[in-house]
Amino acid sequence: RKEVEQDPGPFNVPEGATVAFNCTYSNSASQSFFWYRQDCRKEPKLLMSVYSSGNEDGRFTAQLNRASQYISLLIRDSKLSDSATYLCVVNYYGGATNKLIFGTGTLLAVQP
Amino acid sequence: DGGITQSPKYLFRKEGQNVTLSCEQNLNHDAMYWYRQDPGQGLRLIYYSQIVNDFQKGDIAEGYSVSREKKESFPLTVTSAQKNPTAFYLCASIGSRGAGNTIYFGEGSWLTVV
Repeated sequence: RKEVEQDPGPFNVPEGATVAFNCTYSNSASQSFFWYRQDCRKEPKLLMSVYSSGNEDGRFTAQLNRASQYISLLIRDSKLSDSATYLCVVNYYGGATNKLIFGTGTLLAVQP
Repeated sequence: DGGITQSPKYLFRKEGQNVTLSCEQNLNHDAMYWYRQDPGQGLRLIYYSQIVNDFQKGDIAEGYSVSREKKESFPLTVTSAQKNPTAFYLCASIGSRGAGNTIYFGEGSWLTVV
């Protein structure tokens, strides 16, 4: 089983739609969680960190469920500019370890 | 401003040659990472380093080598043993362990075998 798993998509949605991505992780020692956005042929950019209490930034809401070991990202009122690959990232650290593991990414295509 | 600098951005390699990708950061970060990304794929971990003079293999270390002689530098060598090196390579770093850390990325290096 992969350490971090995502549905690769693609998710094809019309403008204005609400879309949700999930990401599961296998290591219960995982400590920090992030969603990154990656545009074609570019480096990933931080979208938001994910906390157990949930966090919201405009149209984006992220949630962490430690009991079920998954994180989610909800995008409301999708825009054409939201089209990109969304990567979940898990950072686990302990002892001598400080490891960053990426999911394979979920491709979102917002259609006009 | 602090950040990560990767070079070169584009690199062509002949079969059988070793090439080295540079990664330099001025963020005073301990942990640095190298990832490989193939078209339509996610990021796969090649090597990572927690501290100077120490590094660990990631999931796809075969055919690659690294060094960490200085805190700010973590070069990656793609050796001739790597049979399919054409890919996008990303270097990243993260600060001290703890929640809320931000991951910094270089702009990436495109390696093509000719």
